[in-house]
Amino acid sequence: NAGVTQTPKFQVLKTGQSMTLQCAQDMNHNSMYWYRQDPGMGLRLIYYSASEGTTDKGEVPNGYNVSRLNKREFSLRLESAAPSQTSVYFCASSKTGGGYRGSYEQYFGPGTRLTVT
Amino acid sequence: AQKITQTQPGMFVQEKEAVTLDCTYDTSDPSYGLFWYKQPSSGEMIFLIYQGSYDQQNATEGRYSLNFQKARKSANLVISASQLGDSAMYFCAMREGPYGGYNKLIFGAGTRLAVHP
Repeated sequence: NAGVTQTPKFQVLKTGQSMTLQCAQDMNHNSMYWYRQDPGMGLRLIYYSASEGTTDKGEVPNGYNVSRLNKREFSLRLESAAPSQTSVYFCASSKTGGGYRGSYEQYFGPGTRLTVT
Repeated sequence: AQKITQTQPGMFVQEKEAVTLDCTYDTSDPSYGLFWYKQPSSGEMIFLIYQGSYDQQNATEGRYSLNFQKARKSANLVISASQLGDSAMYFCAMREGPYGGYNKLIFGAGTRLAVHP
């Protein structure tokens, strides 16, 4: 049981390049999320997918696109990378269906450290 | 708008003593939940404890307890009998989302805890 996996772990891009961050979960969770963490700050939500087939913007969506490929996979794409997108990116997932702690807990992947020069 | 405030950028505690990390929140939603996550230097996000707004009792998980004061809108984390391995960044977060559904997390800026031998 791998939980939430992310690839790659590290990436260096030049300004203007594009790339896709991959995320997969094997816990049969309905909801998936992408966050970014800048130095000295908490995580901020970029996009989320409440369920397969739906995606919505979070707090900081500009410069990103997402795809919920299937129930397991949720990818984040940077079309034209900028230095302001240098950050650590976390993917997370959670199940739904009950109003108790177990349904709200988010499980995080290990993160992708992205540097844009 | 929902907001989480952690006013202690850094704290230190002697090993085996208790420590309280502060968290205040702001929301107009009567149904909400509060999380604490630990982020060690390795970078992963580790779930510690969850408190629902309608929970009658304060949440506890082993050495972690949440001092939930609804009227004051505070959700402080208490770590009893601190251990060297507790040295890490600690984040308070609030969920936003429908009951039993997806949850978007709003994070505070974090508190860095150092445990001294």
